[in-house]
Amino acid sequence: DSGVTQTPKHLITATGQRVTLRCSPRSGDLSVYWYQQSLDQGLQFLIQYYNGEERAKGNILERFSAQQFPDLHSELNLSSLELGDSALYFCASSVGQNPREKLFFGSGTQLSVL
Amino acid sequence: SQKIEQNSEALNIQEGKTATLTCNYTNYSPAYLQWYRQDPGRGPVFLLLIRENEKEKRKERLKVTFDTTLKQSLFHITASQPADSATYLCAPGGADGLTFGKGTHLIIQP
Repeated sequence: DSGVTQTPKHLITATGQRVTLRCSPRSGDLSVYWYQQSLDQGLQFLIQYYNGEERAKGNILERFSAQQFPDLHSELNLSSLELGDSALYFCASSVGQNPREKLFFGSGTQLSVL
Repeated sequence: SQKIEQNSEALNIQEGKTATLTCNYTNYSPAYLQWYRQDPGRGPVFLLLIRENEKEKRKERLKVTFDTTLKQSLFHITASQPADSATYLCAPGGADGLTFGKGTHLIIQP
């Protein structure tokens, strides 16, 4: 158990809808990262937050947004969903904002857009 | 753009032998490189980190090398066991964080 909690584990929705994925980092970790994993693209970095502030941005679509709350949990909002958004979404956390730090991953949210 | 290449085909190794996984990168000069293990339906788990000034790093049955001239990292598992079967992800990193490869699926056959 990594200590990172993601909910829900599975999400099935329709095109055009909006969903929210939730992540609670390990106790004491200040950084939260969001990744998208699909069979053809591998693990793609979306965005990082550190202590409530956006720290780094990757290949995140404009239809997607995220935030980190004062209690350090994070939410990833996906809107106007398309079939191609179907993927496994992982949250990871680390102690600080140093990019060399190892990441602790949650078990992921499997999103299916029908 | 940065490109990370790992064996796309599954690697079958007999139990007890050494498994060697390759990670090649192009258009990139990472300051460090991490390796993760991922089991089906689970998140990746950190295994090892090696810095650009380190040639080799060991942890129990695991060994990682980092050749910045060849732009390559090798990941070795000695005395392999069926429990080592998983997908292994290579992740070179710099100031902007990690870039993950697609992983190599390793199968250790009894």
